[in-house]
Amino acid sequence: SQKIEQNSEALNIQEGKTATLTCNYTNYSPAYLQWYRQDPGRGPVFLLLIRENEKEKRKERLKVTFDTTLKQSLFHITASQPADSATYLCALGSFNQGGKLIFGQGTELSVKP
Amino acid sequence: DAGITQSPRHKVTETGTPVTLRCHQTENHRYMYWYRQDPGHGLRLIHYSYGVKDTDKGEVSDGYSVSRSKTEDFLLTLESATSSQTSVYFCAISSSGNSGSTHEQYFGPGTRLTVT
Repeated sequence: SQKIEQNSEALNIQEGKTATLTCNYTNYSPAYLQWYRQDPGRGPVFLLLIRENEKEKRKERLKVTFDTTLKQSLFHITASQPADSATYLCALGSFNQGGKLIFGQGTELSVKP
Repeated sequence: DAGITQSPRHKVTETGTPVTLRCHQTENHRYMYWYRQDPGHGLRLIHYSYGVKDTDKGEVSDGYSVSRSKTEDFLLTLESATSSQTSVYFCAISSSGNSGSTHEQYFGPGTRLTVT
């Protein structure tokens, strides 16, 4: 069955450092991969999308890579800030799935001042 | 959360009672989704809709039904609530384009349901 794995352990980093979150998947060939941020008690918020034919995408301090050979996406936050503390979810989708996404369990990031 | 509301935001109910959760959008998006989120399981799709009166099952649809009679409203019904349905429920919407649409989803604030 399709499976997505994100860092199961919470990630604790120091302010100013780069946070790197991992999303691995098996038994799936996604057409695109999305990253969301979720704060406690709130719904997820869409951040970035990367397609299977794209290696890297950037948006401000965020960078996403997508390696379809390794079946892995990396999500980087550079110059991290305490306000970046949240849970980050990856999600996979295909064009023949009509909008249905498969979500990972999320990685909790804590940025300490 | 702009453009998507969920009601109620919190509900406590007893086992065996019917429960209906409502999702309302003002974005005129075609696609709407219901998820549940539980510790250790992440977000799991219950049902989704790809148009008025067009719905399909997701990964965890047993015990749930949905209806969509208007573009803006998507209802999730637990016919006879069980304790295993205690969860946080999120509604989401996405627009569709031509083939190749990537369906970025926009989520509501969630409904916390407790079944005692």
